[in-house]
Amino acid sequence: NAGVMQNPRHLVRRRGQEARLRCSPVKGHSHVYWYRQLPEEGLKFMVYLQKENIIDESGMPKERFSAEFPKEGPSILRIQQVVRGDSAAYFCASSPTQGSFSYNEQFFGPGTRLTVL
Amino acid sequence: QKEVEQDPGPLSVPEGAIVSLNCTYSNSAFQYFMWYRQYSRKGPELLMYTYSSGNKEDGRFTAQVDKSSKYISLFIRDSQPSDSATYLCAMLAGGGNKLTFGTGTQLKVEL
Repeated sequence: NAGVMQNPRHLVRRRGQEARLRCSPVKGHSHVYWYRQLPEEGLKFMVYLQKENIIDESGMPKERFSAEFPKEGPSILRIQQVVRGDSAAYFCASSPTQGSFSYNEQFFGPGTRLTVL
Repeated sequence: QKEVEQDPGPLSVPEGAIVSLNCTYSNSAFQYFMWYRQYSRKGPELLMYTYSSGNKEDGRFTAQVDKSSKYISLFIRDSQPSDSATYLCAMLAGGGNKLTFGTGTQLKVEL
């Protein structure tokens, strides 16, 4: 009974390189969310995706960041030309459905800790 | 002003103490209120959620929401060393999909 899986758990990149973070949701979940946790700060929403669709990307930085959740395979958060300020823990969460005016628990993965040198 | 304010602590209590954790918020649209527990280097784990105002109890944990004051609390009775973690409050607007988190309170329960 696997929960949300994220890989890699730790990622080190040099400034200017690309970072690709992967998230496999709980089996049967079709909604994926990405959050970023900076040092000394709480988790900040980045993006909400369903299969092949970006539903809400209001928390994504305008440049260098992109996310996808293809029909097959994991969700990917991509950061191009990383800078030191991108160093953070990136958490993925999944939920089974997203109904209007109801609550569906978001199950979190263990996170990917990105360090930019 | 942040949408959700939470004292970061750290909070240190002896084993067996009653712990009170709190958050305040400013967005009247929030209708769902959650408490997550996060151990070091792990992902957040949902402890409890409450819809609108009121109390909810689950074992040693009690969550309270006062929407008129925009104030939520989590009480932990008979605290144990295994409760040592960071506790995050989170909130969700009705029909919304993005959780808004507090910064988290670091709790240490000492023997």
